[in-house]
Amino acid sequence: QKEVEQDPGPLSVPEGAIVSLNCTYSNSAFQYFMWYRQYSRKGPELLMYTYSSGNKEDGRFTAQVDKSSKYISLFIRDSQPSDSATYLCAPGRDTGRRALTFGSGTRLQVQP
Amino acid sequence: NAGVTQTPKFQVLKTGQSMTLQCAQDMNHEYMSWYRQDPGMGLRLIHYSVGAGITDQGEVPNGYNVSRSTTEDFPLRLLSAAPSQTSVYFCASSLTGAPNQPQHFGDGTRLSIL
Repeated sequence: QKEVEQDPGPLSVPEGAIVSLNCTYSNSAFQYFMWYRQYSRKGPELLMYTYSSGNKEDGRFTAQVDKSSKYISLFIRDSQPSDSATYLCAPGRDTGRRALTFGSGTRLQVQP
Repeated sequence: NAGVTQTPKFQVLKTGQSMTLQCAQDMNHEYMSWYRQDPGMGLRLIHYSVGAGITDQGEVPNGYNVSRSTTEDFPLRLLSAAPSQTSVYFCASSLTGAPNQPQHFGDGTRLSIL
């Protein structure tokens, strides 16, 4: 079983829709929860970061973490064609090898 | 701002050949790392470095060597290329490697082993 699971998609939505992207993880030691966005033929870039459980909002984006169920979500409101990309969840821990564990990513297509 | 620069962008090798993937960053970051990205597998850590002269193995280190002689550069060497090493390779850097710090990625090297 992978430590981090993501539905690969593609997820296709019309412009203006609310998008929900999700991850599950198995390691209860994860304390940091990052979302990276990766455009085609580019490297990932950090989109949002959350520590422990709770919500964090940044413009049209909301990250949500439920540590009790080991479930991570990213919501995109008023989705735009420019949001079309692959979204990678990446939980991390502060002990041991301090690297992030990346999910395989969900490809999102926002149709104009 | 150049950020993280990877060269080459594309490379085709024959089985058994060796090559070095270059990575340079101009942000004075202590932490640098190499990932490979394969369909359905996500980004997997190959090697990482917490500073000049210090390297360590990641999740999938076999067949790869690294060294870190300067803060800026972190080359990845393929010793004897195998078809299983066909992948997209990303170099990343962050200030200290703490998990709450953003990792800055290069745009990748697309490597094909025939």
